[in-house]
Amino acid sequence: GQSLEQPSEVTAVEGAIVQINCTYQTSGFYGLSWYQQHDGGAPTFLSYNALDGLEETGRFSSFLSRSDSYGYLLLQELQMKDSASYFCAVRGGGGKLIFGQGTELSVKP
Amino acid sequence: DTAVSQTPKYLVTQMGNDKSIKCEQNLGHDTMYWYKQDSKKFLKIMFSYNNKELIINETVPNRFSPKSPDKAHLNLHINSLELGDSAVYFCASSQVGDSFTDTQYFGPGTRLTVL
Repeated sequence: GQSLEQPSEVTAVEGAIVQINCTYQTSGFYGLSWYQQHDGGAPTFLSYNALDGLEETGRFSSFLSRSDSYGYLLLQELQMKDSASYFCAVRGGGGKLIFGQGTELSVKP
Repeated sequence: DTAVSQTPKYLVTQMGNDKSIKCEQNLGHDTMYWYKQDSKKFLKIMFSYNNKELIINETVPNRFSPKSPDKAHLNLHINSLELGDSAVYFCASSQVGDSFTDTQYFGPGTRLTVL
């Protein structure tokens, strides 16, 4: 089967850097995605890593190590609007996404 | 110019009723999905359609019946609603085979409350 583990919640202050880790077990690996979901909103795509290494998109970066079945999302210069749930996900058969249980990030002033 | 739209946004109904949720995407994608998000925010795939054909059915009770009249629409009909069906249902679409981003686009969700 396929499963993903990520911390349930993380708290940080504005301006800080926070890292959300994700470990996965999967049969057949196509890449690791990250999605952001604000309360009452829809999940929105943040980043995707198919190969080892770091992908940077503005204040957000995502890292993947396929040999360790591990990835993380790095959020820099945290802003209040970054308070949301963050999900890692792997692609399964037929293109479906299998999500981790989500990490609730609270950014404090 | 909403990419993925769903109606209704909220649905409150009694146990035992039958209800439908509609989804439309204007992104030209071949594949559409239904996900269920429970009260603990766990997102789980229910169904996937590719070009109107069912390709994924994740052990969902047969009270749930998806229908795809064309590749831009995917509806979800639920019979004999139960309390445990209360959740947020998200429609999503993607272009499977886009290995560079693997992006799925989600609709705004339908919050279903069964009383």
